[in-house]
Amino acid sequence: AQSVTQLDSQVPVFEEAPVELRCNYSSSVSVYLFWYVQYPNQGLQLLLKYLSGSTLVKGINGFEAEFNKSQTSFHLRKPSVHISDTAEYFCAVSDHTNFGNEKLTFGTGTRLTIIP
Amino acid sequence: DAEITQSPRHKITETGRQVTLACHQTWNHNNMFWYRQDLGHGLRLIHYSYGVQDTNKGEVSDGYSVSRSNTEDLPLTLESAASSQTSVYFCASSEVSASGQYTQYFGPGTRLTVL
Repeated sequence: AQSVTQLDSQVPVFEEAPVELRCNYSSSVSVYLFWYVQYPNQGLQLLLKYLSGSTLVKGINGFEAEFNKSQTSFHLRKPSVHISDTAEYFCAVSDHTNFGNEKLTFGTGTRLTIIP
Repeated sequence: DAEITQSPRHKITETGRQVTLACHQTWNHNNMFWYRQDLGHGLRLIHYSYGVQDTNKGEVSDGYSVSRSNTEDLPLTLESAASSQTSVYFCASSEVSASGQYTQYFGPGTRLTVL
């Protein structure tokens, strides 16, 4: 079984400042990692994912994340945030021992608030 | 465009009533999932299905059931609604592309209130 920890429940950031949202995971097997964004009153939208290969993953809206196996982390970063980035961000993990039938385990989410 | 829809988007019901939430996807995905979202818990898996006639229990399945009679639909039923089941419910479906890329897509959610 795997688990995900998002240590920061809320992160306020000034507009145009950089941001890092932290995600740590626990698993006894190899994993896939995901970041999803949820805008107010909407469903979840995939930001980026790490399946294999390069540990630096680039996603939509200028976000990127780096997979660090030794630290079991997958932190999300953006060099300059905008008001439109205000949303809830979820980190998720799945193991790929059953390829094609993965189930996601989600963290509790981080609410990113951009301050004008 | 292919999509995943949920209905109703909002539902208010009374304790003890049976409630069914609909989920319909037009991607022809084999895998479908139901989650509930609660403050402080993120999304938790209720039930999932890997294909027609296949259903499996997730982390928080007590009080819920699903059935899969075709590829497109996975309705979620609350047999006897309880106040603890007040939540936002998300349906999802997933695919593995020809290049091995795994992606799970989410519906817009159903906000259920049990009074």
